[in-house]
Amino acid sequence: EIVMTQSPATLSVSPGERATLSCRASQSVSSNLAWYQQKPGQAPRLLIYGASTRATGIPARFSGSGSGTEFTLTISSLQSEDFAVYYCQQCNTWPPGTFGQGTKVEIK
Amino acid sequence: EVQLVESGGGLVQPGGSQRLSCVASGFTFSDYEMIWVRQAPGKGLEWVSSISTGITGIMYYADSVKGRFTISRDNTKNSLYLQMNSLRAEDTAVYYCARAFKVYSGGYYYRYFDYWGQGTLVTVSS
Repeated sequence: EIVMTQSPATLSVSPGERATLSCRASQSVSSNLAWYQQKPGQAPRLLIYGASTRATGIPARFSGSGSGTEFTLTISSLQSEDFAVYYCQQCNTWPPGTFGQGTKVEIK
Repeated sequence: EVQLVESGGGLVQPGGSQRLSCVASGFTFSDYEMIWVRQAPGKGLEWVSSISTGITGIMYYADSVKGRFTISRDNTKNSLYLQMNSLRAEDTAVYYCARAFKVYSGGYYYRYFDYWGQGTLVTVSS
């Protein structure tokens, strides 16, 4: 089973600053990777699929990059509504679509 | 508007059973593979099971639930189900149903979960 490792576990960022989240796969997943955002008490929301394609309605400040085993989610200028937990998920090997353990983006 | 609404959660004793339901609206349910994902309290996301489209949907299960959980769907009722038997304390979680959309690339289909329900909490405790 492919293991997804996210870093850091917690990222403290001030509003308006850039946030960079990392996700590493234990073996290549090509570009078959998604990013999800989850706020407290809410369901996850798909942000990025195919490593770099924004899902419908996702603001341009969210961008994804990477391929193979190393991936990055960048939030260019953090807004108050962006403080949440972010998960990566590999979709290359199905089943299962394994998730990372999450990165919490908190207000600095 | 796409909506997924789960129900059926609650408190159940270890060894007991529970059946979760997810009613879909706003899209052609029969055209989509459907997923159950769970989240233990304070923990991350775990894929549980999936069922493909078609009359005899292909079903997959996480090793942690294989042999105990059964996924099914009723396209006439736009509904997805998860029958959970022999429940354990470690099955305590919020259970989400989600829709999978497939992206075709390089001769294969890759699944992403684009719509999620609000979740239903299952607590396994005596």
